[in-house]
Amino acid sequence: AQKITQTQPGMFVQEKEAVTLDCTYDTSDPSYGLFWYKQPSSGEMIFLIYQGSYDQQNATEGRYSLNFQKARKSANLVISASQLGDSAMYFCAMREGREAGNQFYFGTGTSLTVIP
Amino acid sequence: EPEVTQTPSHQVTQMGQEVILRCVPISNHLYFYWYRQILGQKVEFLVSFYNNEISEKSEIFDDQFSVERPDGSNFTLKIRSTKLEDSAMYFCASSEGPHRTKNIQYFGAGTRLSVL
Repeated sequence: AQKITQTQPGMFVQEKEAVTLDCTYDTSDPSYGLFWYKQPSSGEMIFLIYQGSYDQQNATEGRYSLNFQKARKSANLVISASQLGDSAMYFCAMREGREAGNQFYFGTGTSLTVIP
Repeated sequence: EPEVTQTPSHQVTQMGQEVILRCVPISNHLYFYWYRQILGQKVEFLVSFYNNEISEKSEIFDDQFSVERPDGSNFTLKIRSTKLEDSAMYFCASSEGPHRTKNIQYFGAGTRLSVL
């Protein structure tokens, strides 16, 4: 089974609107971390937001928030007030366990296009 | 802001040749990683490195691959005899030491390897 599933290959959003990018995960480890990265066309991977499995509140970082539903094993990224510069690939990732050096598992990504 | 730097940004090589991809992790980070992303596919873990030894590796990381921290700042990935299927974007990442809750992995801009 896939550790991370992103079911939306491509999404479109009007500038200034909010958009939700879906991510579900699969793990039996009670301790894990969930991460979102942005990959613009230039190729670099930019860290956006982190959610720990024991965090009681949903993570927020500026215009990014994470809708964490533990029972459903979902960690959707919400981008508010979309900007043209938000057009990029977005990857959801998970680290299982508490070990610092544990690998990240990535999803297949969602391509977001912001329309003026 | 500290960042992970990778050189070169693009490497072209002939099949069967050896290549070395270079990375300078964030200076106070203790964990280092290599990932690869074949064009249009998801990011895949290759290897993690801590305290001058490999801490985890994937099945992709076979005897053709090796990693080294030759000095206090560089972290390298060597591919001994490149194959066509090694063509991919290679990302270096680093994270802080143990006892850190989030252990966010920060990625470099990548090296695009083209094997002809």
